[in-house]
Amino acid sequence: EAGVTQSPTHLIKTRGQQATLRCSPISGHTSVYWYQQALGLGLQFLLWYDEGEERNRGNFPPRFSGRQFPNYSSELNVNALELEDSALYLCASEAGALLETQYFGPGTRLLVL
Amino acid sequence: GEDVEQSLFLSVREGDSSVINCTYTDSSSTYLYWYKQEPGAGLQLLTYIFSNMDMKQDQRLTVLLNKKDKHLSLRIADTQTGDSAIYFCAEISYSGGGADGLTFGKGTHLIIQP
Repeated sequence: EAGVTQSPTHLIKTRGQQATLRCSPISGHTSVYWYQQALGLGLQFLLWYDEGEERNRGNFPPRFSGRQFPNYSSELNVNALELEDSALYLCASEAGALLETQYFGPGTRLLVL
Repeated sequence: GEDVEQSLFLSVREGDSSVINCTYTDSSSTYLYWYKQEPGAGLQLLTYIFSNMDMKQDQRLTVLLNKKDKHLSLRIADTQTGDSAIYFCAEISYSGGGADGLTFGKGTHLIIQP
């Protein structure tokens, strides 16, 4: 069974640009979570989607947004990129909205120059 | 707010047991997790424990939970070079709006000495 996949693996942007990151959950999983892993800050919760709806978001500005498609895949959009947005962005999927077990993808490494 | 604390580094000899410790603050956590991150890779779920359990064993891994002290530990028996990685402790965090996702510690770097 395929795991969580993310694309692209690496992304290089310049300040002010927009970045779009994609995630495909494990087949049958309806919840998708996004996390940011920045140097020295550990992992921080960004967004949670379930059944196409945004269920919760972490302490990030509105320029971090996303959506979940009918096939449960998800996009994370980061507008007006800042240098501090350079990080590994991890997507995780879960079978339901019960916060039981999340399975992580390999991540997208975003570098903002 | 919720916080998860871990030591940043642990060095053990190959063949010895590794014990990685974690403390958390959210007493309402229902599940606690251990994830492993190898260099350049995403997170891999190692194991998890439900909050009404004290211990869970899975092959070389033993998880101990002291709910009173909010202390979680991961013991890796017979540590091998392939166990070199960063180990993250995580708990489910809640706020007034419901579940916030997982709160992670900063990770413990496990270094294996030959």
